[in-house]
Amino acid sequence: KAGVTQTPRYLIKTRGQQVTLSCSPISGHRSVSWYQQTPGQGLQFLFEYFSETQRNKGNFPGRFSGRQFSNSRSEMNVSTLELGDSALYLCASSSGQGGTDTQYFGPGTRLTVL
Amino acid sequence: AQKITQTQPGMFVQEKEAVTLDCTYDTSDQSYGLFWYKQPSSGEMIFLIYQGSYDEQNATEGRYSLNFQKARKSANLVISASQLGDSAMYFCAMRGPHPNTPLVFGKGTRLSVIA
Repeated sequence: KAGVTQTPRYLIKTRGQQVTLSCSPISGHRSVSWYQQTPGQGLQFLFEYFSETQRNKGNFPGRFSGRQFSNSRSEMNVSTLELGDSALYLCASSSGQGGTDTQYFGPGTRLTVL
Repeated sequence: AQKITQTQPGMFVQEKEAVTLDCTYDTSDQSYGLFWYKQPSSGEMIFLIYQGSYDEQNATEGRYSLNFQKARKSANLVISASQLGDSAMYFCAMRGPHPNTPLVFGKGTRLSVIA
C-alpha cells in the first residue's frame, strides 16, 4: 500500500506571495490532518478534513486555509506569506473513524519564506 | 486540554544497548491513544507504536516497547538493541476520544546512538 505523499517537497517563496501544498492520503483513508512544525513552536495542528468537510481547526489566522476533494486528496493554501510561515508542513492521514486511530504522515513540505 | 511532557531534550546511547525515552501526559479524558513517532533528519514522521488507554498489556513492535503506567500517566518508549539508524528525534503524542481530535505532541527527545 502506498504511503502518504506530499508535493512539492521544497518551496521557496517571498513575503506577500501565496502557496498551495498538496497531500494524497493512504488509499482508503478519508481523514487528512495538517500540522506545522517550527523549531520554536514545535508541532502545531492546523486543520483536519474528513469526507470533504473541515472537522476541526487549530489556532491559526485565516491566511491558512484548506480543502479536501472527493478522492480524499487535500490541499492547504497560505496567502500573504510572512517570514514566520517558514516551516515544515506535514500532512497525516487516517481512517477518520475513531478518536484513537493512528495518523500516518507524509514526508512533509519544507517552505522557506524570504 | 491534553498535554504531553518529554523532559529529556537529548540522550546518548551506545550501539546494542537499550534506552528508555520518557513521556508523561495529562488529560481528563478516559479514552485516549498514546503514540510514539520517529523523525529522522529527512523530516518524515514515522509511526512506531500505539497504546490505547484501555489496553492492559504494554504494546510491543519489534525492538520497540511502550512502558504504560496509567496511574502515573506515563508512556515511556523502550528501544532495545539500539542501532546507528535509530539516531533521530522521537516524539510522544496523544489524541482522543473524538474522531476529530488532533494529535498533541511533546517537544521531542533527540537520540544519538554511538558506535
